[in-house]
Amino acid sequence: GAGVSQSPSNKVTEKGKDVELRCDPISGHTALYWYRQRLGQGLEFLIYFQGNSAPDKSGLPSDRFSAERTGESVSTLTIQRTQQEDSAVYLCASSLGLAGGLDEQFFGPGTRLTVL
Amino acid sequence: AQKVTQAQTEISVVEKEDVTLDCVYETRDTTYYLFWYKQPPSGELVFLIRRNSFDEQNEISGRYSWNFQKSTSSFNFTITASQVVDSAVYFCALVDSSYKLIFGSGTRLLVRP
Repeated sequence: GAGVSQSPSNKVTEKGKDVELRCDPISGHTALYWYRQRLGQGLEFLIYFQGNSAPDKSGLPSDRFSAERTGESVSTLTIQRTQQEDSAVYLCASSLGLAGGLDEQFFGPGTRLTVL
Repeated sequence: AQKVTQAQTEISVVEKEDVTLDCVYETRDTTYYLFWYKQPPSGELVFLIRRNSFDEQNEISGRYSWNFQKSTSSFNFTITASQVVDSAVYFCALVDSSYKLIFGSGTRLLVRP
């Protein structure tokens, strides 16, 4: 596709359930990022992939959060045993992966997660 | 450590007024990029500008202009003759050798007719 796509666009789940959020980056982009935006706040970095490996997982808030990427393409962010504080918009971005990370990141529309 | 500060939480102006959104950043790197993004009520992030640390020339794009001053670590954004459609949350962001975008907390701009 022309841009970064994310699915689902909205997800409502019950506390304690696991959720999977998907990101399809722009074709040819080797770098992929996940961010979280809580209501009324700025974006927080979660994790960065270069190819299929994740050199920086420092932003993941707890061990309930994990992410993987396969085929240098699709990435999945998994949240286990969701808590109400996980409610946020989860944004994915991709970039060409050039210039040591200084290239422009293109954002998807986000997945709005609501934990009841 | 990297940090971006947008001290203005919310600004309200009347249409046609000029408005400046402030951004102050911190980084130890000499090579970095600064960004401004717009987030309208629909929620998507719209890229506005990228500026690298070696280019301190001010930039103008239509009603938008940006003032980058390394001496004060600031990258301010001015909208001239604001319009109602400019109402949005505006984020300033920094990326350096750590490759992750560090966002400010955003400034909500309300342009009243």
